[in-house]
Amino acid sequence: EDKVVQSPLSLVVHEGDTVTLNCSYEVTNFRSLLWYKQEKKAPTFLFMLTSSGIEKKSGRLSSILDKKELFSILNITATQTGDSAVYLCAVVGSQGNLIFGKGTKLSVKP
Amino acid sequence: KAGVTQTPRYLIKTRGQQVTLSCSPISGHRSVSWYQQTPGQGLQFLFEYFSETQRNKGNFPGRFSGRQFSNSRSEMNVSTLELGDSALYLCASSLVPSGGPTYEQYFGPGTRLTVT
Repeated sequence: EDKVVQSPLSLVVHEGDTVTLNCSYEVTNFRSLLWYKQEKKAPTFLFMLTSSGIEKKSGRLSSILDKKELFSILNITATQTGDSAVYLCAVVGSQGNLIFGKGTKLSVKP
Repeated sequence: KAGVTQTPRYLIKTRGQQVTLSCSPISGHRSVSWYQQTPGQGLQFLFEYFSETQRNKGNFPGRFSGRQFSNSRSEMNVSTLELGDSALYLCASSLVPSGGPTYEQYFGPGTRLTVT
């Protein structure tokens, strides 16, 4: 059965800290892994990592994929209060649908 | 470009009733997927529609159904509502080149359904 496990479930840091969020997965015929940020409403797309693109960076956010060890990390440097959100990791399942982890709730204190 | 829109945004229903939720995808996106999000289970896949056909289905009972129209707009129906159906229902659209796998899904704001 395809599954995604994220850790930690929640995290509290102070502004300026660097955080690392973890995502491990088991999926038949891996195709891609996606990271989303969810504040109050809709998850917003951050990154997609595939076999041909195992590292992505956008501003203070970066992500890597380790296909051998079946995990990904999302790094946020110099955190700001606006980074407070639930971060969701998902993989494309064997039928093409997205399978999500339970998310990591990040709280950034001023 | 307008994003994914969902209506209504909030809904309160009574047990046993039925409900229909609507989703309009991003212009040009042909695939629409539906998810249920609850605090305990997280985001769970309901089904996906592409070119008016259900392409994938998650592990939900037959009370949950959907359809897609020729303009790619989609509706989801839940019949005989139960208290446990209270959740945020999200739809997501994606641009699917030639029927390939659905990557990079873009989510709508969701419909918050409360069943009393």
